[in-house]
Amino acid sequence: AQKITQTQPGMFVQEKEAVTLDCTYDTSDQSYGLFWYKQPSSGEMIFLIYQGSYDEQNATEGRYSLNFQKARKSANLVISASQLGDSAMYFCAMRGATGANSKLTFGKGITLSVRP
Amino acid sequence: GAVVSQHPSWVICKSGTSVKIECRSLDFQATTMFWYRQFPKQSLMLMATSNEGSKATYEQGVEKDKFLINHASLTLSTLTVTSAHPEDSSFYICSVQKKNNEQFFGPGTRLTVL
Repeated sequence: AQKITQTQPGMFVQEKEAVTLDCTYDTSDQSYGLFWYKQPSSGEMIFLIYQGSYDEQNATEGRYSLNFQKARKSANLVISASQLGDSAMYFCAMRGATGANSKLTFGKGITLSVRP
Repeated sequence: GAVVSQHPSWVICKSGTSVKIECRSLDFQATTMFWYRQFPKQSLMLMATSNEGSKATYEQGVEKDKFLINHASLTLSTLTVTSAHPEDSSFYICSVQKKNNEQFFGPGTRLTVL
């Protein structure tokens, strides 16, 4: 089985500042992938960033970076220079390699609000 | 990436009627599509995996006779909510998976059952 934990109930950040959204995971697979998705109020799930379990470097995509600490089983998302349009729900997800773990499992999400 | 569309984007129906939701992969032939359900302020819950040309695989606790899935072609999967009731009101999202395991989501369908 695999599990994603997002415990922050809601986050606030001032525009132009950086913010870290926490995500911890648990899996029995050796090979797995970690994802972050953004869901604005429109409902669409927008893919942000991906980290493979064997990737040695932390993934980066523009203003998004993933702080991957494998030993601690954490995959925190860092958003730099926050923008008002970043206000949304953010979901951490993972996919393992075997059987039921090969399906995408989502955390419960974090609401981020960017203040002007 | 992959472009995924859903139709309708929202639907309101009376209790007891059936509603069909379409999920189309516009620029990619998808052998596998997924259907998720999301209640307000909650996470996405996988309902079923739709496989082209074969029966869908349902997650535990999802009634296959209630939520009929048909994946008749490589670009279209449909979810039919049969005899809908108010508790079926939810946001339904489909996604397609490419060979490299990237998964792309449709814009979702908001179902309201009166």
